[in-house]
Amino acid sequence: EAGVTQFPSHSVIEKGQTVTLRCDPISGHDNLYWYRRVMGKEIKFLLHFVKESKQDESGMPNNRFLAERTGGTYSTLKVQPAELEDSGVYFCASSRLAGGAGELFFGEGSRLTVL
Amino acid sequence: GENVEQHPSTLSVQEGDSAVIKCTYSDSASNYFPWYKQELGKRPQLIIDIRSNVGEKKDQRIAVTLNKTAKHFSLHITETQPEDSAVYFCAAPPGGYQKVTFGTGTKLQVIP
Repeated sequence: EAGVTQFPSHSVIEKGQTVTLRCDPISGHDNLYWYRRVMGKEIKFLLHFVKESKQDESGMPNNRFLAERTGGTYSTLKVQPAELEDSGVYFCASSRLAGGAGELFFGEGSRLTVL
Repeated sequence: GENVEQHPSTLSVQEGDSAVIKCTYSDSASNYFPWYKQELGKRPQLIIDIRSNVGEKKDQRIAVTLNKTAKHFSLHITETQPEDSAVYFCAAPPGGYQKVTFGTGTKLQVIP
């Protein structure tokens, strides 16, 4: 069974540019989460999809961040325009059970560096 | 929403000693308590979890204890080894479709 895959693994962009991160969850996992880890600190929640619907996007920092999950399969997280403080590692996780009642399976993360 | 506090933020132990990390949570509806380990440059991975119908669960050198009355749970690592060095995160999901928030993480360093 393939795990959660994320692309790209590392992206370096200039301030003001746009970046799109992609996450492919484990097949059959309706729940998909985006998290961000900045400067080795806490894993901060961004948003939660149940299938194609945004269940909770309370962690999205501002309207420069846009997440989609068309068809309830893969998800994208777009940052436009990117700012310096957006740098960090963006993790995607998927789970079969809702609300984290079971294991979250994480991807390897996408490291974003904004210069 | 759920508030999860984790202590300590850093922990250094000699190889062979034990390590204990504690988390407290606020939502009494939480009934599932996982611990994740993130090694440097790798993805967080579940290492052990416990549900509220038991007070302790053990898997080789790691164990988790739960005190639902006091709303805290702890990760215990015995006979620590260098490969235990990592950042450990707890979570206490409120259940339903609510978001999963993590504790602030504990960086464990096992000194050979």
